[in-house]
Amino acid sequence: ETGVTQTPRHLVMGMTNKKSLKCEQHLGHNAMYWYKQSAKKPLELMFVYSLEERVENNSVPSRFSPECPNSSHLFLHLHTLQPEDSALYLCASSQQRGRGVYNEQFFGPGTRLTVL
Amino acid sequence: TQLLEQSPQFLSIQEGENLTVYCNSSSVFSSLQWYRQEPGEGPVLLVTVVTGGEVKKLKRLTFQFGDARKDSSLHITAAQPGDTGLYLCAGATSGTYKYIFGTGTRLKVLA
Repeated sequence: ETGVTQTPRHLVMGMTNKKSLKCEQHLGHNAMYWYKQSAKKPLELMFVYSLEERVENNSVPSRFSPECPNSSHLFLHLHTLQPEDSALYLCASSQQRGRGVYNEQFFGPGTRLTVL
Repeated sequence: TQLLEQSPQFLSIQEGENLTVYCNSSSVFSSLQWYRQEPGEGPVLLVTVVTGGEVKKLKRLTFQFGDARKDSSLHITAAQPGDTGLYLCAGATSGTYKYIFGTGTRLKVLA
């Protein structure tokens, strides 16, 4: 595998389900991101992990719970979601080169989530 | 709140035509990136510009960063159907983790 991979690519879940999205980066980067992409809206940054520490939580509802067990893996745990949470969830990674200085982001293919 | 406005939002042109996409903000960015995203896929990085006034070329694509580092443009010469996609600009500010993404320009090039 190369670059950034995400699984599953598609997910349909009910509002009472619990599911997890997985992201893995094979680039040796030390920062990882979760974004939400909805129709007709700019990409919304959800979470940032730098050196496995959460450094950004962009006012995301608690029904989204991130986990970063190591620098290569990032999870997004989902529970009791709402239909308006249906969107493309994108993972990205980048290399932190200094305090607050980040190199370009590389994105995975995304998980298309539908909440019924 | 930092915002990046892209124009036009939608563009449908014939193969062989030229086009320019604009990315504007009232904020100053330390760097700006352009991505292309195809349906069902994540954005793919095309270029990063970091210096005011900088011009970068990628085959038929020409990217320019404004002198004040608040705006950028993407010019495509002799567009081809393979250029079809969603073009996104993203601005980064040093000292933060945040990339501010533009509203996107959806381009369709007809054969």
